[in-house]
Amino acid sequence: AQSVTQLDSHVSVSEGTPVLLRCNYSSSYSPSLFWYVQHPNKGLQLLLKYTSAATLVKGINGFEAEFKKSETSFHLTKPSAHMSDAAEYFCVVSSSGGYNKLIFGAGTRLAVHP
Amino acid sequence: NAGVTQTPKFQVLKTGQSMTLQCAQDMNHNSMYWYRQDPGMGLRLIYYSASEGTTDKGEVPNGYNVSRLNKREFSLRLESAAPSQTSVYFCASSEDLWADGNQPQHFGDGTRLSIL
Repeated sequence: AQSVTQLDSHVSVSEGTPVLLRCNYSSSYSPSLFWYVQHPNKGLQLLLKYTSAATLVKGINGFEAEFKKSETSFHLTKPSAHMSDAAEYFCVVSSSGGYNKLIFGAGTRLAVHP
Repeated sequence: NAGVTQTPKFQVLKTGQSMTLQCAQDMNHNSMYWYRQDPGMGLRLIYYSASEGTTDKGEVPNGYNVSRLNKREFSLRLESAAPSQTSVYFCASSEDLWADGNQPQHFGDGTRLSIL
């Protein structure tokens, strides 16, 4: 069975400093992995996805994530945080067997300070 | 480009009342989903519809029913609301359910439901 663990419930950074949001996954199959972002009172927006092509995946708004099979990790990074990045971020794994059922992590709330 | 539209955005109910949450998508997607979001728990799947005319239970279906009215619309009904159903409800859609797990789901802005 698939599962996702987001290692930090809250992350706080200063504007202009790097962002690291950590995610570990468990999967019996080669997983598809996603990062979604949720701004206050909004739905979830896809940031990026990994589907067994390149292990370094670039997404929108300068975010990227690296799939590391040996570490079962899919951490989200951004070189320089912007105030508009403050939001909740979800790491998501797709269930196995070609079935588009998503399993969500508990979320990481990112705060960005001036 | 509307994407996934949910109505209402907010609702307060009393215990025992019934309510239907509406969802419509304009992307010609085959599959639609209902989730609930509770603090510290991410999103949990309530029901999904692989295609028009089919519905199936997700992880937390108790207390809910759904109707896939047509390809565009997928509604969620609470027959007798309970305080434990206070949550934020999200509708989502994707091109297909069976797609090697690499198709993203597109989400509406949510319905914030409080049950007193």
